[in-house]
Amino acid sequence: QQQVKQSPQSLIVQKGGIPIINCAYENTAFDYFPWYQQFPGKGPALLIAIRPDVSEKKEGRFTISFNKSAKQFSLHIMDSQPGDSATYFCAASNPGSSNTGKLIFGQGTTLQVKP
Amino acid sequence: KAGVTQTPRYLIKTRGQQVTLSCSPISGHRSVSWYQQTPGQGLQFLFEYFSETQRNKGNFPGRFSGRQFSNSRSEMNVSTLELGDSALYLCASSSGLANHNEQFFGPGTRLTVL
Repeated sequence: QQQVKQSPQSLIVQKGGIPIINCAYENTAFDYFPWYQQFPGKGPALLIAIRPDVSEKKEGRFTISFNKSAKQFSLHIMDSQPGDSATYFCAASNPGSSNTGKLIFGQGTTLQVKP
Repeated sequence: KAGVTQTPRYLIKTRGQQVTLSCSPISGHRSVSWYQQTPGQGLQFLFEYFSETQRNKGNFPGRFSGRQFSNSRSEMNVSTLELGDSALYLCASSSGLANHNEQFFGPGTRLTVL
């Protein structure tokens, strides 16, 4: 019940395409869902995050869609660029309890954007 | 504002040795969490410290331990190293306050156990 399942494992798109990465969870107590971007040799960097009280959030070219009833959320990258090539992780946590700070991560998606 | 710093960046140890990794959080942040990242298991939560107290713990053996100092800097220690401990160890800094959940990761320490 503590798992977050992420798909696909890898993704290749052309420049300008809209890659979509999906995540699913079981624990309905989760109430914070961030996405992280990681480049080789670097730590994960927070991209965007959402809470279950909204169905969509946009920041620049990145959009999270959230479906509370299906317990799924997804990341869309608009007008993708070669510089977006990285590994993306979804995560979930239940900071309202003593679990503050404990992020449960998906398995990661390696995105390649071809020029 | 300076980001999260971790030292050392790279470490090579042999089986049976112990190792100490250090993390300095973002100024003003009181929470430090540690994660292990491996190709097979992905990112796994080790533990979190807030105001010098361990607030949460993941499912790792007792060989993995940590502490936090009054200036919020944190260290983690791994004793009796095993080959499987080879990983990127990441620390993440956050305010630690309720509903302020953003965690900022450092660059990690790459540990290789031979």
